Amino acid sequence: AQKITQTQPGMFVQEKEAVTLDCTYDTSDPSYGLFWYKQPSSGEMIFLIYQGSYDQQNATEGRYSLNFQKARKSANLVISASQLGDSAMYFCAMREEDYGGSQGNLIFGKGTKLSVKP
Amino acid sequence: KAGVTQTPRYLIKTRGQQVTLSCSPISGHRSVSWYQQTPGQGLQFLFEYFSETQRNKGNFPGRFSGRQFSNSRSEMNVSTLELGDSALYLCASSPWTSGRSEQYFGPGTRLTVT
Repeated sequence: AQKITQTQPGMFVQEKEAVTLDCTYDTSDPSYGLFWYKQPSSGEMIFLIYQGSYDQQNATEGRYSLNFQKARKSANLVISASQLGDSAMYFCAMREEDYGGSQGNLIFGKGTKLSVKP
Repeated sequence: KAGVTQTPRYLIKTRGQQVTLSCSPISGHRSVSWYQQTPGQGLQFLFEYFSETQRNKGNFPGRFSGRQFSNSRSEMNVSTLELGDSALYLCASSPWTSGRSEQYFGPGTRLTVT
């Protein structure tokens, strides 16, 4: 069965510093996608970054980068130059990707609450 | 392009009642998925619809049902509400159902059952 583990319930980071949020996953499917979402206190889930299991390079989107280590089954999110607006819950998610049919549902981790200190 | 919209945003219901939540996906998106978020269980998948057909279903009782209309708008219904159904219900849309495509979430409907 698919599983996502986020071992850090809460993290603090100083403004302008970088922070790494951990995520490990477990799946027997060779084709899958890994996602990170941000959820501010307002509740809306904001898509941040995507990494496919066959992608050769680590994904980057602005200040977000994904440290993908396939053999270790980890997909850590790195946020560079933290801003006060980055304070939120961060969820790692995974989905099996079947190119022939249903894309499958997202399996989410429990989340990490990031607090950025001024 | 307008984002995913969900109505209503907040809802208070009594045990035993039923409720219908609505989700309008991003224009052109044909896949709609529903998730339930609670402090105890986290985010859990309810079901996915694509072109008016349910493609995937999570592990929820039959009291939870949904449908999708020809314009891709989706509704989910919960009958015989229980206290444990209090949650944030999130809807997500994506352009297609296979391959790599991120899901874009709406703001959610916060349901409180008393």
